[in-house]
Amino acid sequence: EIVLTQSPGTLSLSPGERATLSCRASQSVASTYLAWYQQKPGQAPRLLIFDISTRATGIPDRFSGSGSATDFTLTISRLEPEDFAVYYCQQYGTTPLTFGGGTKVEIK
Amino acid sequence: EVQLVESGGGSVQPGRSLRLSCAASGFTFEKYVMHWVRQAPGKGLEWVAGISATGHHLGYADSVKGRFTISRDNAKSSLYLQMDSLRPDDTAFYYCARPRDYGWGPFQHWGQGALVTVSS
Repeated sequence: EIVLTQSPGTLSLSPGERATLSCRASQSVASTYLAWYQQKPGQAPRLLIFDISTRATGIPDRFSGSGSATDFTLTISRLEPEDFAVYYCQQYGTTPLTFGGGTKVEIK
Repeated sequence: EVQLVESGGGSVQPGRSLRLSCAASGFTFEKYVMHWVRQAPGKGLEWVAGISATGHHLGYADSVKGRFTISRDNAKSSLYLQMDSLRPDDTAFYYCARPRDYGWGPFQHWGQGALVTVSS
């Protein structure tokens, strides 16, 4: 099983600041099969990024993904009030599919 | 519009069984892999199981293998999760999810979730 470790657990930032979230895999992720999701309280997760760096439909360009093999990053260039949420990475190239433990981006 | 609606959640005693259903609409169900994902209250996401479009290929998380069974009825555009030998740590919201294309991921569409509570 590929274990995904996200860091930090919590990120305290102010609106307008840049957020950098990390996702590290215990072994190389197959092909480019790494995604990022955003989840707000009481809601289902929303797909942000897939294939490491492709934005899903309707996702603003302040969200970007990068990385390869075992190290991946989600960057939010300038935080908007609606971006404060929990973010999860996921690998979907190898069964069992796995999620990281999440990073909470909170208002400082 | 893609819609996924879970049903069948509820409270159950440890060791008992429960069956979740997911009614799909707004797309050609028989063409897509489908998944179940769960989230314990206040915790992170955990992939539970996935099933290929034809139903011939199944995958399970180690935590549920041998106890849960994923299935589908393409004629009814429905996905199921049979959960046996339930344990308290199976308590979670269970989401039905559909990938964005014909592969196994990522998950573009999600249901609203069904709460399963396992407690004596």
